[in-house]
Amino acid sequence: GQSLEQPSEVTAVEGAIVQINCTYQTSGFYGLSWYQQHDGGAPTFLSYNGLDGLEETGRFSSFLSRSDSYGYLLLQELQMKDSASYFCAAIRDDKIIFGKGTRLHILP
Amino acid sequence: DAMVIQNPRYQVTQFGKPVTLSCSQTLNHNVMYWYQQKSSQAPKLLFHYYDKDFNNEADTPDNFQSRRPNTSFCFLDIRSPGLGDAAMYLCATSRDGTVDEQFFGPGTRLTVL
Repeated sequence: GQSLEQPSEVTAVEGAIVQINCTYQTSGFYGLSWYQQHDGGAPTFLSYNGLDGLEETGRFSSFLSRSDSYGYLLLQELQMKDSASYFCAAIRDDKIIFGKGTRLHILP
Repeated sequence: DAMVIQNPRYQVTQFGKPVTLSCSQTLNHNVMYWYQQKSSQAPKLLFHYYDKDFNNEADTPDNFQSRRPNTSFCFLDIRSPGLGDAAMYLCATSRDGTVDEQFFGPGTRLTVL
């Protein structure tokens, strides 16, 4: 089967760092993407890891370990506007399989 | 700005009354996707087009159909909506060979009465 596991909710404080983990089990795996979705909005692309290691884009970083079937999204210097749901998504063949999403709550 | 546009943003229909949702894109991407997303759940892929080639997901109900008359437009037809079809419907596009990065429209929220 194919599945992605990520925590349903995470809470962090403004200005802090938070890590959202994702483990996956899928055939034909090419890489892992991360998407952000605010309430009532569309998912927006954040990052993609096709190779093992860390990818950095501003305050956001994403990591992939194929041997562990594991990845994470790291958000630094959290801002209130980062309150959203974050989806990891496994890339296989010609489509994406989304995880169930992690709701990030940020406290002032 | 290049973008993915969905109309309408909110659609109300009656149980069993056919409804069509539309999506257009100015990105000139050759791949277009339709997803269904229910509250607090992951987007679920219904089908996608690679150019004019239609790819249906195995678990997509027959009640859902799609048309892509040209590169820019794609339609989702729900032939007989049930209460369980109430959801957000998201259209997305990607460039050939870059399925990892998809560009989503704002979605159409469907209510079934």
